[in-house]
Amino acid sequence: GAVVSQHPSRVICKSGTSVKIECRSLDFQATTMFWYRQFPKQSLMLMATSNEGSKATYEQGVEKDKFLINHASLTLSTLTVTSAHPEDSSFYICSARVLAGGLSTDTQYFGPGTRLTVL
Amino acid sequence: GEDVEQSLFLSVREGDSSVINCTYTDSSSTYLYWYKQEPGAGLQLLTYIFSNMDMKQDQRLTVLLNKKDKHLSLRIADTQTGDSAIYFCAEAGGFNKFYFGSGTKLNVKP
Repeated sequence: GAVVSQHPSRVICKSGTSVKIECRSLDFQATTMFWYRQFPKQSLMLMATSNEGSKATYEQGVEKDKFLINHASLTLSTLTVTSAHPEDSSFYICSARVLAGGLSTDTQYFGPGTRLTVL
Repeated sequence: GEDVEQSLFLSVREGDSSVINCTYTDSSSTYLYWYKQEPGAGLQLLTYIFSNMDMKQDQRLTVLLNKKDKHLSLRIADTQTGDSAIYFCAEAGGFNKFYFGSGTKLNVKP
């Protein structure tokens, strides 16, 4: 149980275009999902907390108009990188907090990540 | 914010034990976690420990928690080449935010 998927796994786009990344919890419901960014050889940087049915909470320094987050259902959150530029190239990872059902509610399960390359 | 620190590299020989260390600052953390990341992949939850525990063992993995010193360690017994990866410790802060260490890259030599 507790499987989180991301789509796409890899995307290459031209500068100025927008890219949408999906994060799904496959076998559980997640009221809260998190979006992280990971630079090469570095740790994860929390970008925002996505709550189902409400606005996302962004970490300091993260542009909310640049990184649009929508948590439309208990199993899906999307991150849209708008007007992407080469400096947005990174590895984006989502995680989901378990709602209930026998699993720890204080555990995050991570997706496999999405490699974004902006040319 | 919370500060979680790890050493960056560890190299061991196959069959030896590996010990990865982590220090953290938030004494109110309820859970502490160890995640494994293989190249180009997301994070895989290895194990976690509740803050009122001193030790947790799960097959080849042993987690030790010294709450007084805010020190967490992960011991991997009989380390295999497939254990080569980056290992992150994390503590759960407020609003269930996780604070990650920098990651320790474990290299297992045959």
